[in-house]
Amino acid sequence: DSGVTQTPKHLITATGQRVTLRCSPRSGDLSVYWYQQSLDQGLQFLIQYYNGEERAKGNILERFSAQQFPDLHSELNLSSLELGDSALYFCASSARTGETDTQYFGPGTRLTVL
Amino acid sequence: AQSVSQHNHHVILSEAASLELGCNYSYGGTVNLFWYVQYPGQHLQLLLKYFSGDPLVKGIKGFEAEFIKSKFSFNLRKPSVQWSDTAEYFCAVRRNYGGSQGNLIFGKGTKLSVKP
Repeated sequence: DSGVTQTPKHLITATGQRVTLRCSPRSGDLSVYWYQQSLDQGLQFLIQYYNGEERAKGNILERFSAQQFPDLHSELNLSSLELGDSALYFCASSARTGETDTQYFGPGTRLTVL
Repeated sequence: AQSVSQHNHHVILSEAASLELGCNYSYGGTVNLFWYVQYPGQHLQLLLKYFSGDPLVKGIKGFEAEFIKSKFSFNLRKPSVQWSDTAEYFCAVRRNYGGSQGNLIFGKGTKLSVKP
């Protein structure tokens, strides 16, 4: 158990819908990262937040957005869902964002878009 | 663009065989290197990491990796695999911008199947 929690574990929804994935980082960690794991693209970095502020953006679609709240939990919002958005979405957290940081991953949310 | 290459998509070994999984990256600056393992149905777990110092890094469960800067490689090794090592292994790189960004860039992963 990494100490990073994600809810829900599974999500099944239809095209065009909007969903919210939630992540709680390890106690004391300030950085949260979101990754998408799909069969064709592998593990891709989406976005990073550090202490409530967006720090880095990766291959995140405009239909996707995220935020980190004052209690440091984070939410990833996916809207206008398409079949290709079906994937495993991982959240990771680290203490800060420095060179010696290690990221610890949550169990993931499996999203299925029908 | 920076990339991380894992040479083998799927490796099948018998128990007690030795393992070496290749990983190469294309970035020329200072990097941190990681190997993560994903057991079936589970999340990513850190096996080992390299930040600086001794290029031979020992991790959990008997795994080790060697950083060879001149070859841009960070290969994972284990002298004798067990059936319980069946999993998918991911190499990851983090570029250092002086600490401002921390995202990992992952390879495509190597599936390891160990036959009992």
